[in-house]
Amino acid sequence: GESVGLHLPTLSVQEGDNSIINCAYSNSASDYFIWYKQESGKGPQFIIDIRSNMDKRQGQRVTVLLNKTVKHLSLQIAATQPGDSAVYFCAENQGSGNTGKLIFGQGTTLQVKP
Amino acid sequence: DAMVIQNPRYQVTQFGKPVTLSCSQTLNHNVMYWYQQKSSQAPKLLFHYYDKDFNNEADTPDNFQSRRPNTSFCFLDIRSPGLGDAAMYLCATSRAGGPYEQYFGPGTRLTVT
Repeated sequence: GESVGLHLPTLSVQEGDNSIINCAYSNSASDYFIWYKQESGKGPQFIIDIRSNMDKRQGQRVTVLLNKTVKHLSLQIAATQPGDSAVYFCAENQGSGNTGKLIFGQGTTLQVKP
Repeated sequence: DAMVIQNPRYQVTQFGKPVTLSCSQTLNHNVMYWYQQKSSQAPKLLFHYYDKDFNNEADTPDNFQSRRPNTSFCFLDIRSPGLGDAAMYLCATSRAGGPYEQYFGPGTRLTVT
């Protein structure tokens, strides 16, 4: 079946270092991808998105890269801070028409060491 | 300012006792979604509304129902909660015509005793 998955369940980085979180997807027809951050006991918080007609998009301290050839998505966080500690989910849109249908990956826990 | 509001934040219900979770939004979005998220798992879509048009996921149990009386409010009804229904329930909204970002509420943590 089609799914979105993450390569590593936990990533531990030193404060100030850059973090890279990876995601593999299997539906080559997917046209839209989102990265969400979820802190304990809270709802997912939008970080950045990218459409399939792009291969890179930058936000504040974050960059998303999309490689459609190998169906791979990554989230880069520059100068990682303790407040970045959370679970990160990639999500793939498999909806059509007027509504979206997000399929979430399993999540990567980012731990930032002071 | 809260844009997607869920009440209550924590709900305890007894096995088999119907329970209703509520969601409201101030974004005036056409689309509202309900997700179930079990511990240490990813959110899983249960169903969504595009305006009043209800769309159920194929694997959503019949025990789960939803109502959307107006644009701002959406309810999740669990008719006979089982122990396996204990989870975080997340409401989200988005504009139509997308795909577009989905805005999530803080979730309701449901405990079944």
